[in-house]
Amino acid sequence: KQEVTQIPAALSVPEGENLVLNCSFTDSAIYNLQWFRQDPGKGLTSLLLIQSSQREQTSGRLNASLDKSSGRSTLYIAASQPGDSATYLCAVGIVETSGSRLTFGEGTQLTVNP
Amino acid sequence: DGGITQSPKYLFRKEGQNVTLSCEQNLNHDAMYWYRQDPGQGLRLIYYSQIVNDFQKGDIAEGYSVSREKKESFPLTVTSAQKNPTAFYLCASRPPLLNQPQHFGDGTRLSIL
Repeated sequence: KQEVTQIPAALSVPEGENLVLNCSFTDSAIYNLQWFRQDPGKGLTSLLLIQSSQREQTSGRLNASLDKSSGRSTLYIAASQPGDSATYLCAVGIVETSGSRLTFGEGTQLTVNP
Repeated sequence: DGGITQSPKYLFRKEGQNVTLSCEQNLNHDAMYWYRQDPGQGLRLIYYSQIVNDFQKGDIAEGYSVSREKKESFPLTVTSAQKNPTAFYLCASRPPLLNQPQHFGDGTRLSIL
């Protein structure tokens, strides 16, 4: 059974710092890996999606990498801002006989202090 | 704008009562999903549907039921058999291509009276 782990569970940094969030998964048979952002009491917003054949994706100050063979992904946030404060969730996409689905990690709660 | 609408935003359940959470999408997506989120935790899959009139159990289906009679609607019923229903429930849909992200609604928070 696929398991996804995110480290750290919580992170507090001063504004302007560069930071890295980590995600690991146990089964490399994935078709993509996705990073989402969740604000308190809200749904999820997609940040980056990396296909299984890709190594990284970038969007603005965000860069996500994928090493499928070692079961790891990182989300790099450059020059953090207070508006980046949220929970960040990693999810891997898998295909089963009954269809496709995502398996989520427990998230990293990020606080960026002004 | 296209999107996913979940209602109500807050819901209270009495002991022994069944309650139904609504999820409607106008994105023309075939695949839809229901997740449960407990405080400080990630999302766990309850049920999912790849096409109308078909659905599959996820990891924590016990105490829940769904229907998929229309493409745009995927309601979730929390039955009295679910002994610990207090949680945040999220509905999502997925575009046709596998390598496109899921879209999420804003969730329903269910509490026990």
